Amino acid sequence: QKEVEQNSGPLSVPEGAIASLNCTYSDRGSQSFFWYRQYSGKSPELIMFIYSNGDKEDGRFTAQLNKASQYVSLLIRDSQPSDSATYLCAVMVGDDKIIFGKGTRLHILP
Amino acid sequence: ETGVTQSPTHLIKTRGQQVTLRCSSQSGHNTVSWYQQALGQGPQFIFQYYREEENGRGNFPPRFSGLQFPNYSSELNVNALELDDSALYLCASSLQPGLNTEAFFGQGTRLTVV
Repeated sequence: QKEVEQNSGPLSVPEGAIASLNCTYSDRGSQSFFWYRQYSGKSPELIMFIYSNGDKEDGRFTAQLNKASQYVSLLIRDSQPSDSATYLCAVMVGDDKIIFGKGTRLHILP
Repeated sequence: ETGVTQSPTHLIKTRGQQVTLRCSSQSGHNTVSWYQQALGQGPQFIFQYYREEENGRGNFPPRFSGLQFPNYSSELNVNALELDDSALYLCASSLQPGLNTEAFFGQGTRLTVV
């Protein structure tokens, strides 16, 4: 059973600080990794994807991937109240399906 | 806006009934995946369609079935509805199956089975 694990939270971070979200996965052969943001009652929105070891930056977001440790993280710099949402880590297994974690609830404190 | 549209947005059905959910994929995308998201959980993969054929399936019983049409839109059919089928059903389209392909979600259909 291939799994993606996330801390469910809630993770509370002061406005302006860095939010750090973590995810581990069980399928060592996985090569594609995604972070989705989901506001309550809405569908997931793709915010970052990463395929190679190391860091990938896009605006205030940085995704970090360590395939040896089977670990992927998302950093959000200068956190804003609008960043408050559930963040879903997702891993592509084979070529046909994406396995999601249960998500981490992030709360940015004004 | 992802360009992926689902209908209806909300639906209430009675246990034992059948339901059909619809999805129009983003322009140029030939791959559609369906997910079930129960409250407080991550989306669970149901199946994927690529060029009108099922391309992969998750751990869902046969009463969950699907179709993809020549214009790459898709349907999810669920027979003999159970109370536990109540969930948000999400459709995601992508340019193609396989690695390094991002999937974009529609707004979802909220199904309530009573």
